[in-house]
Amino acid sequence: GQNIDQPTEMTATEGAIVQINCTYQTSGFNGLFWYQQHAGEAPTFLSYNVLDGLEEKGRFSSFLSRSKGYSYLLLKELQMKDSASYLCAVISNDYKLSFGAGTTVTVRA
Amino acid sequence: IAGITQAPTSQILAAGRRMTLRCTQDMRHNAMYWYRQDLGLGLRLIHYSNTAGTTGKGEVPDGYSVSRANTDDFPLTLASAVPSQTSVYFCASSEGLEGNEQFFGPGTRLTVL
Repeated sequence: GQNIDQPTEMTATEGAIVQINCTYQTSGFNGLFWYQQHAGEAPTFLSYNVLDGLEEKGRFSSFLSRSKGYSYLLLKELQMKDSASYLCAVISNDYKLSFGAGTTVTVRA
Repeated sequence: IAGITQAPTSQILAAGRRMTLRCTQDMRHNAMYWYRQDLGLGLRLIHYSNTAGTTGKGEVPDGYSVSRANTDDFPLTLASAVPSQTSVYFCASSEGLEGNEQFFGPGTRLTVL
């Protein structure tokens, strides 16, 4: 089975940095995804990590440590439009995607 | 159309009724998925399909069935709806199963009374 944990809520100020942690325990691991979901909308892809290390994509970066079962999503230079839920998801050996409950980030002016 | 579409956008349904949620993609993706999203529980996989003609069970398949007659369409059927199936349903597709980004449809909000 899969067990994926991430904080329920985070609040940060516009222009700041926020780090969303995700820990996982899975029966097999084939990669970790981060998705963004605005209220009432579909999730959209942010990043995919399969090897240890940091993947940077503009203002967003994602880190993975397979030995620790740990990932984080780093959001820099926060903007109001970054207010959304961020979903951590792990793909297991049977190629099924399991999602955490999501972290709701609120950006305040 | 471009991407992945779902119909209806929302539906209120009496318990015991049969309902089919439609999903169509035009990206020629091999794999398709159905999830339900409930507050505090995140997205949970109901059924999936590796390729046309094949389907598999996800985490919460009971009460749901799917078919994959062709590459583009992946309907989800509730044979006899119950109130616990009230949820937001998302269809998704990807090129394949392994490490591929999933593209999500806009969702169907279903209420079973």
